[in-house]
Amino acid sequence: EAGVAQSPRYKIIEKRQSVAFWCNPISGHATLYWYQQILGQGPKLLIQFQNNGVVDDSQLPKDRFSAERLKGVDSTLKIQPAKLEDSAVYLCASRISGGSSYEQYFGPGTRLTVT
Amino acid sequence: GDSVTQMEGPVTLSEEAFLTINCTYTATGYPSLFWYVQYPGEGLQLLLKATKADDKGSNKGFEATYRKETTSFHLEKGSVQVSDSAVYFCALSKAGANSKLTFGKGITLSVRP
Repeated sequence: EAGVAQSPRYKIIEKRQSVAFWCNPISGHATLYWYQQILGQGPKLLIQFQNNGVVDDSQLPKDRFSAERLKGVDSTLKIQPAKLEDSAVYLCASRISGGSSYEQYFGPGTRLTVT
Repeated sequence: GDSVTQMEGPVTLSEEAFLTINCTYTATGYPSLFWYVQYPGEGLQLLLKATKADDKGSNKGFEATYRKETTSFHLEKGSVQVSDSAVYFCALSKAGANSKLTFGKGITLSVRP
């Protein structure tokens, strides 16, 4: 079974530029998450999708971040314009629908450096 | 809001030493508890989990028991190996539509031969 795919793996941009990340979850996984992991900290949820609907985006900085999951499969996360403090690893995770005990499967992440 | 607190790191041990990594949580209701591990150059992966009080999760020689009275989920292993060197994250998830994981800061474990 293929895992969660993310691209690109690394990205370096200057502040005020825009950037987009892509995630392809495990086939059949209705729930998709984007987490931000700043160096030395644990991942923090940015947005959660259930199929193509948003369940939780309370921690998403909506003035600069946007995300979509068209057709309930792939998802993109965009930052425009980027700030220095956006330097982090962006993790995509997916799981089947159901109880909270079900495992979330993580992709390898995209490491963003904003200079 | 919900939170997870892990002991400060990093931790350095000799091979075959006993390992304990402390984790406590604050949450309403009855969360599920998890330990995730991140090996060098790899993504986060589930190590073990427990879904209710007094449950013990175990995997690869690691164990953790869900202690509701002390709101803890400490990770233990009787004899660590060099291959256990990684970053370990404690996390919780609540029941309901919002099933996000709330993570601790993580702790780096280095095991010397």
